[in-house]
Amino acid sequence: DAGITQSPRHKVTETGTPVTLRCHQTENHRYMYWYRQDPGHGLRLIHYSYGVKDTDKGEVSDGYSVSRSKTEDFLLTLESATSSQTSVYFCAIRKETAGELFFGEGSRLTVL
Amino acid sequence: AQSVAQPEDQVNVAEGNPLTVKCTYSVSGNPYLFWYVQYPNRGLQFLLKYITGDNLVKGSYGFEAEFNKSQTSFHLKKPSALVSDSALYFCAVRAVDTGKLIFGQGTTLQVKP
Repeated sequence: DAGITQSPRHKVTETGTPVTLRCHQTENHRYMYWYRQDPGHGLRLIHYSYGVKDTDKGEVSDGYSVSRSKTEDFLLTLESATSSQTSVYFCAIRKETAGELFFGEGSRLTVL
Repeated sequence: AQSVAQPEDQVNVAEGNPLTVKCTYSVSGNPYLFWYVQYPNRGLQFLLKYITGDNLVKGSYGFEAEFNKSQTSFHLKKPSALVSDSALYFCAVRAVDTGKLIFGQGTTLQVKP
């Protein structure tokens, strides 16, 4: 258990509404990531953070923003959700002594 | 550009038989390679990794993977498959320069009794 909690776990929303997904970790790791998982695409990196207020874009960052005001929390925001953002979103942390990532249980978002 | 390819969408194997899930990669420099498993409605779980050293890496649940630099491959293997091994498997490579983890598309492993 890597101490990662994602919320909400499930959300249904309408096109054009804002949505925020939260990732919370209990171990104070520096690196945190947001991925989306879609059939046929595997996992694609949206944004990542390498410290408080330090974030960078991944390969599919358009339409998403992130914030990290505290070490333990990494927020993913869809300012105006679209149907193409229907997906399962995974948060991950990287432990400094290892190269691998540890993932949360995912947040399933449906945009109608 | 860095990339990972898993050429098989699905692998079917009978319980007790050996299994192989294939992965090839393209990355500049020395690769850090990983395998993850995902059970339905769950997050990804780390299985094993190759950083350096022996080409045969052993991991969780009896899985192992063989790093082959000349073929740029990192195939996942298990000598005797279990029905409970049925899941979605992802190969990933971490670029040394950016530290980002790039995932393959995933391979569904189906082990039949």
